[in-house]
Amino acid sequence: EAGVAQSPRYKIIEKRQSVAFWCNPISGHATLYWYQQILGQGPKLLIQFQNNGVVDDSQLPKDRFSAERLKGVDSTLKIQPAKLEDSAVYLCASSLFLGGSTGELFFGEGSRLTVL
Amino acid sequence: DQQVKQNSPSLSVQEGRISILNCDYTNSMFDYFLWYKKYPAEGPTFLISISSIKDKNEDGRFTVFLNKSAKHLSLHIVPSQPGDSAVYFCAASSGGNEKLTFGTGTRLTIIP
Repeated sequence: EAGVAQSPRYKIIEKRQSVAFWCNPISGHATLYWYQQILGQGPKLLIQFQNNGVVDDSQLPKDRFSAERLKGVDSTLKIQPAKLEDSAVYLCASSLFLGGSTGELFFGEGSRLTVL
Repeated sequence: DQQVKQNSPSLSVQEGRISILNCDYTNSMFDYFLWYKKYPAEGPTFLISISSIKDKNEDGRFTVFLNKSAKHLSLHIVPSQPGDSAVYFCAASSGGNEKLTFGTGTRLTIIP
């Protein structure tokens, strides 16, 4: 079974530039998450989708971050304009369904962003 | 507001001995707890979990203990093996929602 795919693995940009990350979840997984992991910290949830609808985006900085999940499969996370503090690893995760499950999320390898 | 805390950033253990990783939480609404393991340049992978209706869950060399009154859980690995060297994250969720709140992680190093 193929895992969660993310690209690019690494990206270096200058502040105020824009960047986009792509995620392809495990086939059949209805729920998709984007987490931000800053060095030395645990992953922090940015946004949670079920199919193509947003379940929770309360911690997404909406003035600069946006995310979409067209057709309930792939997802894209965009940052525009980037700030220095956005330097982090962006992790995509997926799970089978929302609610009443074991809470096991399957993570991709992450996209490491460096903002100079 | 750090709702899930792992106060030990690092831990070194001799191969074959027991590794004990600790985690504390403040949100009494959390009812499901998980441990994830992360190798460098990889995403976290699920290790073991426990529901708040239990106080212990065991899976091979890994056992998780939950003390609800103290809002504390621990992960025991015995015997520890070199391949266990990784960063371990404690995570929690509530109400059947899979939204996870993570701790800051503990880097475990197993010394051969």
